[in-house]
Amino acid sequence: EPEVTQTPSHQVTQMGQEVILRCVPISNHLYFYWYRQILGQKVEFLVSFYNNEISEKSEIFDDQFSVERPDGSNFTLKIRSTKLEDSAMYFCASKPGTSGAGEQFFGPGTRLTVL
Amino acid sequence: SQKIEQNSEALNIQEGKTATLTCNYTNYSPAYLQWYRQDPGRGPVFLLLIRENEKEKRKERLKVTFDTTLKQSLFHITASQPADSATYLCALGPPGTASKLTFGTGTRLQVTL
Repeated sequence: EPEVTQTPSHQVTQMGQEVILRCVPISNHLYFYWYRQILGQKVEFLVSFYNNEISEKSEIFDDQFSVERPDGSNFTLKIRSTKLEDSAMYFCASKPGTSGAGEQFFGPGTRLTVL
Repeated sequence: SQKIEQNSEALNIQEGKTATLTCNYTNYSPAYLQWYRQDPGRGPVFLLLIRENEKEKRKERLKVTFDTTLKQSLFHITASQPADSATYLCALGPPGTASKLTFGTGTRLQVTL
């Protein structure tokens, strides 16, 4: 069964460093998302991406964040200068293009630890 | 501001009983509501979707109801099993195709023998 994959599973970085989190969505899906979950808190939407551009972003997704789909398979989230409060699990998700209400398929997550 | 509350942080029930989880929301008019399961350290896994014009949906031992007047969804697991132990998240989605999900804080269900 196809699944969303994410690498790395755990990333440790120093404050101020740049990190790139990578995701391979399910092929033939058209909508891509990043969410994050701070330990013990709810899953929060960051950004949605469709047709090679951002379709919506949250207040969390400020100028330090960017997303890219550099080829037909990868979907990346870059944090330019990490802060302590960026420590969280980051989930990538994808959705087929059939319906607005369709289920989203989540990856296993990348645990980002900023020291 | 939008608020989504799930009835309790934790719910403990005995194997074989029915678990009922609640999701209440305010300041939101969702087009649909979804329920996800999340195991520790893992990503959410989709369980059920119900649209604003539907009252009830079922899938095997799962049932979800949606009352847009009360702004509430109930999620039931019948004949619960220890393997059902997990955190259950409700998520609301707006009209439109890109459809970001807004999640509740989750309810941690523990099913004991």
